[in-house]
Amino acid sequence: QLQLQESGPGLVQPSETLSLACTVSGGSISTRSHYWGWIRQPPGKGLEWIGNIYYNGSTYYNPSLDSRVTISLHTAKNQFFLKLRSVTAADTAIYYCARGPQGFDPWGQGTLVTVSS
Amino acid sequence: ESVLTQSPGTLSLSPGERATLSCRASQSVSSNSLAWYQQRPGRAPRLLIYGASSRATGIPDRFSGSGSGTDFTLTISSLEAADSAVYYCQQYGISPLTFGGGTKVEIK
Repeated sequence: QLQLQESGPGLVQPSETLSLACTVSGGSISTRSHYWGWIRQPPGKGLEWIGNIYYNGSTYYNPSLDSRVTISLHTAKNQFFLKLRSVTAADTAIYYCARGPQGFDPWGQGTLVTVSS
Repeated sequence: ESVLTQSPGTLSLSPGERATLSCRASQSVSSNSLAWYQQRPGRAPRLLIYGASSRATGIPDRFSGSGSGTDFTLTISSLEAADSAVYYCQQYGISPLTFGGGTKVEIK
């Protein structure tokens, strides 16, 4: 059974870089038939797609975040990563990783990242 | 960008009743690349429907999806207490991928 788990700091200083990892278990991240995505949800609000990465490293980002986002992967560790630069309080959210492409399934449990000094 | 508008914002129904949730896209969703999710409080979203009408693995047949083009519907045929949640639609046919604002289903 495929499982995803987010990890990373729960508190980030304003103007710093948010860095998260998603560890995939029960399946390979190198599969050609899927992609891996990051989605976030500010407290009490809706879902926002951040971006996707394919097995070969190709990435697609939400234009609203494109200038600040980098998604990468480490196939040997079966992990993929999110970096969001120059964060502000508006980036405070629960960050989820998930597998595509026909909808996102499954999802990680999510990790709350708070941007505050 | 394809904007998804969900209605109603909140639906309050009794157990056993039928729930009909709407998702309207600002442009045609290519290849019916439309998904529905259920999100219970404090939990991650769970995929219910993909391809507008295909149930995800393990989803009971009380949940059904329909529609094409710009208008899509999620129907819960007979509500149970466990269906109390926020439901989101999402299009994955064109980048950027987008989500609707959600419909909250309350069980009386």
